[in-house]
Amino acid sequence: EAQVTQNPRYLITVTGKKLTVTCSQNMNHEYMSWYRQDPGLGLRQIYYSMNVEVTDKGDVPEGYKVSRKEKRNFPLILESPSPNQTSLYFCASSFSPGELFFGEGSRLTVL
Amino acid sequence: GNSVTQMEGPVTLSEEAFLTINCTYTATGYPSLFWYVQYPGEGLQLLLKATKADDKGSNKGFEATYRKETTSFHLEKGSVQVSDSAVYFCALIRSNFGNEKLTFGTGTRLTIIP
Repeated sequence: EAQVTQNPRYLITVTGKKLTVTCSQNMNHEYMSWYRQDPGLGLRQIYYSMNVEVTDKGDVPEGYKVSRKEKRNFPLILESPSPNQTSLYFCASSFSPGELFFGEGSRLTVL
Repeated sequence: GNSVTQMEGPVTLSEEAFLTINCTYTATGYPSLFWYVQYPGEGLQLLLKATKADDKGSNKGFEATYRKETTSFHLEKGSVQVSDSAVYFCALIRSNFGNEKLTFGTGTRLTIIP
């Protein structure tokens, strides 16, 4: 089954404790992206990757890092999480940037 | 820059009612337009798309027509069901190649009551 898998789905952490949200896709897509969803703001892109070892900033990259060492994986790293990073995060992949396949989301709470 | 404006929700309708969710956009050139749907507890799914003026996208009984003269892409369905309850996002992309990205509206929450 074609899918984008994110882990963890739910996480409560404390300020400053590094965490990684993993994302893996099994569709051989070159394009992958991370979004955060906040009430009243819709979806905002954090980072995207056009291919292995090619990543770039989206609209709200501050406080986040990504890497793309393999085609299927695109982890999102929060080196020192802060409460304003409490959000619902989505990973997505695609053959082209417009028609995205989304994961089920990771709800992160930073205390 | 690019932007998408959707009608504010929430929208509550009775089953079998007619649905319209308005979407207008601002973009240079000839963007592609999309509707995504997010069911409770799930990620977004592509519902339909249109890539040029006067194209009509359709899926699962939903339709939307790309109107360049009014810069709109309104979502319609003739008879909604309880299972259509979800959040609907309008989105655009200037080009489906290169490093372009989707620009999303803020979403419209739809609730259908039996």
